[in-house]
Amino acid sequence: TQLLEQSPQFLSIQEGENLTVYCNSSSVFSSLQWYRQEPGEGPVLLVTVVTGGEVKKLKRLTFQFGDARKDSSLHITAAQPGDTGLYLCAGGSWGKLQFGAGTQVVVTP
Amino acid sequence: NAGVTQTPKFQVLKTGQSMTLQCAQDMNHNSMYWYRQDPGMGLRLIYYSASEGTTDKGEVPNGYNVSRLNKREFSLRLESAAPSQTSVYFCASREAGELFFGEGSRLTVL
Repeated sequence: TQLLEQSPQFLSIQEGENLTVYCNSSSVFSSLQWYRQEPGEGPVLLVTVVTGGEVKKLKRLTFQFGDARKDSSLHITAAQPGDTGLYLCAGGSWGKLQFGAGTQVVVTP
Repeated sequence: NAGVTQTPKFQVLKTGQSMTLQCAQDMNHNSMYWYRQDPGMGLRLIYYSASEGTTDKGEVPNGYNVSRLNKREFSLRLESAAPSQTSVYFCASREAGELFFGEGSRLTVL
Protein backbone atom coordinates (compact mmCIF):
# COMPACT_ATOMS: atom_id res chain seq x y z
CA THR A 1 0.00 0.00 0.00
CA GLN A 2 1.42 3.33 -1.08
CA LEU A 3 0.83 5.80 1.72
CA LEU A 4 2.48 8.73 -0.03
CA GLU A 5 1.05 9.90 -3.34
CA GLN A 6 3.21 12.17 -5.47
CA SER A 7 1.99 14.31 -8.31
CA PRO A 8 2.56 14.85 -11.09
CA GLN A 9 4.40 11.68 -12.09
CA PHE A 10 6.32 13.52 -14.79
CA LEU A 11 7.08 17.17 -15.43
CA SER A 12 8.96 18.64 -18.38
CA ILE A 13 9.70 22.36 -18.40
CA GLN A 14 11.99 24.90 -20.00
CA GLU A 15 14.91 26.46 -18.19
CA GLY A 16 13.79 29.51 -16.22
CA GLU A 17 10.25 28.29 -15.53
CA ASN A 18 8.87 27.51 -12.09
CA LEU A 19 7.48 24.18 -10.97
CA THR A 20 5.76 22.62 -7.99
CA VAL A 21 5.53 18.95 -7.05
CA TYR A 22 3.26 17.54 -4.40
CA CYS A 23 3.33 14.77 -1.83
CA ASN A 24 0.02 13.81 -0.23
CA SER A 25 -1.13 11.27 2.30
CA SER A 26 -4.16 10.37 4.38
CA SER A 27 -1.81 9.69 7.28
CA VAL A 28 -0.20 12.16 9.64
CA PHE A 29 3.60 12.14 9.66
CA SER A 30 5.86 13.44 12.37
CA SER A 31 8.24 14.54 9.62
CA LEU A 32 8.65 14.33 5.87
CA GLN A 33 11.80 14.23 3.82
CA TRP A 34 12.53 15.14 0.22
CA TYR A 35 15.25 13.37 -1.78
CA ARG A 36 16.57 13.91 -5.31
CA GLN A 37 17.81 11.00 -7.37
CA GLU A 38 19.86 11.30 -10.55
CA PRO A 39 20.16 8.48 -13.11
CA GLY A 40 22.45 5.68 -11.96
CA GLU A 41 22.75 7.05 -8.45
CA GLY A 42 21.06 6.67 -5.11
CA PRO A 43 18.74 9.31 -3.66
CA VAL A 44 20.30 12.27 -1.84
CA LEU A 45 18.54 14.05 1.00
CA LEU A 46 17.46 17.62 0.24
CA VAL A 47 15.51 18.56 3.35
CA THR A 48 13.54 17.34 6.37
CA VAL A 49 10.42 19.19 7.50
CA VAL A 50 9.09 18.49 10.98
CA THR A 51 6.60 21.20 12.01
CA GLY A 52 3.13 21.66 10.53
CA GLY A 53 3.11 24.79 8.38
CA GLU A 54 6.91 24.86 8.18
CA VAL A 55 8.56 26.42 5.14
CA LYS A 56 12.21 25.74 4.34
CA LYS A 57 14.26 27.27 1.57
CA LEU A 58 17.30 25.78 -0.04
CA LYS A 59 18.54 28.27 -2.65
CA ARG A 60 15.86 28.12 -5.40
CA LEU A 61 13.98 25.25 -3.75
CA THR A 62 11.15 25.93 -1.29
CA PHE A 63 9.66 23.13 0.78
CA GLN A 64 6.42 23.36 2.68
CA PHE A 65 4.89 20.98 5.21
CA GLY A 66 1.10 21.13 5.47
CA ASP A 67 -0.53 22.40 8.66
CA ALA A 68 -2.04 18.98 9.32
CA ARG A 69 1.30 17.24 8.55
CA LYS A 70 -0.33 15.09 5.87
CA ASP A 71 1.13 16.76 2.80
CA SER A 72 4.14 18.60 1.50
CA SER A 73 5.17 20.50 -1.58
CA LEU A 74 8.41 21.36 -3.32
CA HIS A 75 8.59 24.52 -5.41
CA ILE A 76 11.52 25.26 -7.70
CA THR A 77 11.99 28.83 -8.91
CA ALA A 78 13.71 29.52 -12.22
CA ALA A 79 14.53 25.88 -12.86
CA GLN A 80 17.89 24.96 -14.34
CA PRO A 81 18.99 21.82 -16.23
CA GLY A 82 20.87 20.76 -13.09
CA ASP A 83 17.50 20.41 -11.32
CA THR A 84 16.65 17.46 -13.56
CA GLY A 85 16.04 14.33 -11.53
CA LEU A 86 13.57 12.14 -9.69
CA TYR A 87 12.16 13.87 -6.62
CA LEU A 88 11.02 11.55 -3.85
CA CYS A 89 9.19 12.30 -0.63
CA ALA A 90 9.47 9.99 2.36
CA GLY A 91 7.85 9.78 5.76
CA GLY A 92 7.37 7.49 8.72
CA SER A 93 9.51 5.86 11.36
CA TRP A 94 12.91 4.52 10.39
CA GLY A 95 11.88 0.89 10.38
CA LYS A 96 8.84 1.73 8.29
CA LEU A 97 9.93 4.68 6.21
CA GLN A 98 7.62 5.01 3.22
CA PHE A 99 8.67 6.55 -0.06
CA GLY A 100 6.42 8.03 -2.68
CA ALA A 101 6.79 6.82 -6.28
CA GLY A 102 8.47 10.08 -7.21
CA THR A 103 8.09 12.92 -9.69
CA GLN A 104 10.44 12.85 -12.67
CA VAL A 105 11.46 16.41 -13.49
CA VAL A 106 13.17 17.26 -16.77
CA VAL A 107 14.46 20.79 -17.34
CA THR A 108 15.56 21.52 -20.88
CA PRO A 109 17.85 24.42 -21.83
CA ASN B 1 35.17 9.46 0.68
CA ALA B 2 33.55 6.18 -0.44
CA GLY B 3 30.36 6.41 1.69
CA VAL B 4 28.16 3.39 0.87
CA THR B 5 29.58 0.90 -1.61
CA GLN B 6 27.50 -1.81 -3.29
CA THR B 7 28.66 -4.75 -5.37
CA PRO B 8 27.95 -5.88 -7.97
CA LYS B 9 26.48 -2.95 -9.91
CA PHE B 10 24.87 -5.22 -12.50
CA GLN B 11 23.89 -8.89 -12.41
CA VAL B 12 21.82 -11.20 -14.60
CA LEU B 13 20.51 -14.40 -13.05
CA LYS B 14 18.42 -17.29 -14.21
CA THR B 15 15.32 -18.26 -12.25
CA GLY B 16 16.28 -20.41 -9.29
CA GLN B 17 19.87 -19.21 -9.03
CA SER B 18 21.14 -17.65 -5.84
CA MET B 19 23.30 -14.62 -5.24
CA THR B 20 24.39 -12.16 -2.59
CA LEU B 21 24.48 -8.39 -2.88
CA GLN B 22 27.23 -6.85 -0.81
CA CYS B 23 27.10 -3.49 0.95
CA ALA B 24 29.72 -1.71 3.00
CA GLN B 25 29.76 1.74 4.61
CA ASP B 26 32.75 3.59 5.97
CA MET B 27 30.87 6.25 7.96
CA ASN B 28 30.60 4.27 11.22
CA HIS B 29 26.79 4.34 11.09
CA ASN B 30 24.81 1.97 13.26
CA SER B 31 21.74 1.50 11.04
CA MET B 32 21.73 -0.02 7.57
CA TYR B 33 18.92 -0.72 5.12
CA TRP B 34 18.13 -2.60 1.93
CA TYR B 35 15.54 -1.15 -0.47
CA ARG B 36 14.31 -2.15 -3.88
CA GLN B 37 13.15 0.36 -6.47
CA ASP B 38 10.67 -0.51 -9.17
CA PRO B 39 9.04 1.82 -11.72
CA GLY B 40 5.95 3.48 -10.28
CA MET B 41 6.48 1.88 -6.88
CA GLY B 42 9.06 4.08 -5.25
CA LEU B 43 11.56 2.61 -2.83
CA ARG B 44 10.34 -0.28 -0.69
CA LEU B 45 12.17 -1.49 2.40
CA ILE B 46 13.23 -5.13 2.32
CA TYR B 47 15.20 -5.50 5.56
CA TYR B 48 17.00 -3.24 7.95
CA SER B 49 19.51 -3.51 10.75
CA ALA B 50 19.24 -0.99 13.55
CA SER B 51 22.62 -1.99 14.94
CA GLU B 52 25.27 -4.65 14.61
CA GLY B 53 23.79 -8.03 15.49
CA THR B 54 20.16 -7.15 14.79
CA THR B 55 18.03 -7.41 11.67
CA ASP B 56 14.32 -6.82 11.06
CA LYS B 57 11.89 -7.30 8.23
CA GLY B 58 10.66 -4.37 6.22
CA GLU B 59 7.72 -4.08 3.88
CA VAL B 60 8.73 -6.73 1.30
CA PRO B 61 11.04 -9.33 2.92
CA ASN B 62 9.76 -12.50 1.23
CA GLY B 63 12.40 -14.25 -0.88
CA TYR B 64 15.31 -12.45 0.78
CA ASN B 65 17.68 -12.98 3.68
CA VAL B 66 20.19 -10.59 5.21
CA SER B 67 23.33 -10.73 7.28
CA ARG B 68 24.82 -7.91 9.30
CA LEU B 69 28.36 -9.22 9.18
CA ASN B 70 29.83 -6.40 11.29
CA LYS B 71 29.19 -2.70 11.74
CA ARG B 72 30.39 -1.91 8.22
CA GLU B 73 28.78 -4.64 6.15
CA PHE B 74 25.17 -5.64 5.45
CA SER B 75 24.52 -8.24 2.76
CA LEU B 76 21.32 -9.24 0.98
CA ARG B 77 20.86 -12.79 -0.28
CA LEU B 78 18.44 -14.17 -2.83
CA GLU B 79 18.29 -17.93 -2.26
CA SER B 80 16.20 -18.81 -5.31
CA ALA B 81 15.79 -15.85 -7.63
CA ALA B 82 12.45 -15.20 -9.31
CA PRO B 83 11.60 -12.84 -12.19
CA SER B 84 9.58 -10.74 -9.71
CA GLN B 85 12.88 -9.90 -8.03
CA THR B 86 14.10 -8.04 -11.10
CA SER B 87 14.73 -4.59 -9.68
CA VAL B 88 17.29 -2.02 -8.66
CA TYR B 89 18.50 -2.63 -5.13
CA PHE B 90 19.81 0.13 -2.89
CA CYS B 91 21.70 -0.18 0.33
CA ALA B 92 21.67 2.74 2.75
CA SER B 93 23.06 3.68 6.11
CA ARG B 94 21.63 6.21 8.50
CA GLU B 95 23.12 8.93 10.66
CA ALA B 96 20.66 10.91 12.79
CA GLY B 97 17.90 11.92 10.39
CA GLU B 98 19.57 11.24 7.08
CA LEU B 99 19.82 8.18 4.85
CA PHE B 100 22.96 7.78 2.75
CA PHE B 101 22.45 5.57 -0.28
CA GLY B 102 24.79 3.54 -2.43
CA GLU B 103 24.70 3.77 -6.21
CA GLY B 104 22.46 0.74 -6.57
CA SER B 105 22.69 -2.79 -7.95
CA ARG B 106 20.63 -3.57 -11.04
CA LEU B 107 19.47 -7.18 -10.97
CA THR B 108 17.70 -8.95 -13.82
CA VAL B 109 16.20 -12.41 -13.30
CA LEU B 110 15.36 -14.27 -16.50
